[in-house]
Amino acid sequence: AQSVTQLDSHVSVSEGTPVLLRCNYSSSYSPSLFWYVQHPNKGLQLLLKYTSAATLVKGINGFEAEFKKSETSFHLTKPSAHMSDAAEYFCVVRPTRAGTASKLTFGTGTRLQVTL
Amino acid sequence: GAVVSQHPSRVICKSGTSVKIECRSLDFQATTMFWYRQFPKQSLMLMATSNEGSKATYEQGVEKDKFLINHASLTLSTLTVTSAHPEDSSFYICSARDRASGNSPLHFGNGTRLTVT
Repeated sequence: AQSVTQLDSHVSVSEGTPVLLRCNYSSSYSPSLFWYVQHPNKGLQLLLKYTSAATLVKGINGFEAEFKKSETSFHLTKPSAHMSDAAEYFCVVRPTRAGTASKLTFGTGTRLQVTL
Repeated sequence: GAVVSQHPSRVICKSGTSVKIECRSLDFQATTMFWYRQFPKQSLMLMATSNEGSKATYEQGVEKDKFLINHASLTLSTLTVTSAHPEDSSFYICSARDRASGNSPLHFGNGTRLTVT
């Protein structure tokens, strides 16, 4: 079984300040982890992915995430928020066990608000 | 990069009618596509897995006779909401994986906002 917990449903930051979106996971197998971003009435865009290579993963638009197995966490960070970062962010886990590789489990999402 | 095109982006229909939503992989082949439903301010819920050339696999609680899925080619899957009712109003999103890329991430369409009046 697997699950994803996004600890904050809503995060508000000022433009130019750091962003931290928290994600904890549980998985019976070594997981692949993803962060997706969704703008209003749009589909999901992949920000970054962890697939058992480097634990610090760099993604698009200046985002990065660190896989910490001991803490079962995969928090998303960005040094300086931009107004265009305002969106919904989803942490997603996928097991690597054969036969289930495609079945994703989504977190409940974190809405990021960026203020002037 | 891999692009998934979903059409229409918005549709309004009357109660009792059927609506078809298309999901196309534009620059890759996808033997498997996925259909999700998203309620306002909530996460995505997997409805079904669409397999090219075979029957779709539905998640528990999803009515297969109401949500008809056809995956006739390696680049197209369709979801038909039959005899739509207001409670079917939702945001529907498809996704697909490039079959040539092994364990690659899923690529998502831009979604379809269905409103049933």
